[in-house]
Amino acid sequence: NAGVTQTPKFRILKIGQSMTLQCTQDMNHNYMYWYRQDPGMGLKLIYYSVGAGITDKGEVPNGYNVSRSTTEDFPLRLELAAPSQTSVYFCASSLNRDRGYGYTFGSGTRLTVV
Amino acid sequence: RKEVEQDPGPFNVPEGATVAFNCTYSNSASQSFFWYRQDCRKEPKLLMSVYSSGNEDGRFTAQLNRASQYISLLIRDSKLSDSATYLCVVKTEGSSASKIIFGSGTRLSIRP
Repeated sequence: NAGVTQTPKFRILKIGQSMTLQCTQDMNHNYMYWYRQDPGMGLKLIYYSVGAGITDKGEVPNGYNVSRSTTEDFPLRLELAAPSQTSVYFCASSLNRDRGYGYTFGSGTRLTVV
Repeated sequence: RKEVEQDPGPFNVPEGATVAFNCTYSNSASQSFFWYRQDCRKEPKLLMSVYSSGNEDGRFTAQLNRASQYISLLIRDSKLSDSATYLCVVKTEGSSASKIIFGSGTRLSIRP
């Protein structure tokens, strides 16, 4: 199984450009998440989804948008890139509310905005 | 007070030593707890869940103290390959979705 797949792995954007970070999972998980991780910091939740067609804001949603048209895909959109969005972005998925099950993460996207 | 707090370290211990670190959480209604391991420039990976009765997986032991609101991770006979950042994760079930908070991690370095 591929698990959670993120693309691209690396990207350099200029200020004001836009891009979409792709995330796909093949585990039929209902829950999907986007996190960002700044150096030396914990993961901050940007957006999450509890199922296809349902998305909600996390802790740091400003400057981002998401959609969840299928169970498998959860893309993250940056409309007007800013230097503050330089970070490592992780997509994750989990199986409903099973208490004993944690997250499966993608390998991350390293984004630099210059 | 942060919802989940960890000593950032780094903990620098010799190979073969026993090392332990704690993670405190502020929400007494939190229900699920996990330890994740994150290698440098890699994604976090689930190390182990933390059960109320405590649980052990090889050299790793996780414990939960609900009264004092902390979880702990003990690593015995540490190996060089244990060098990583260990993230504490606290999960609280809500009416519509779970809320999951990651600690900022404790960095562990094992020296030969």
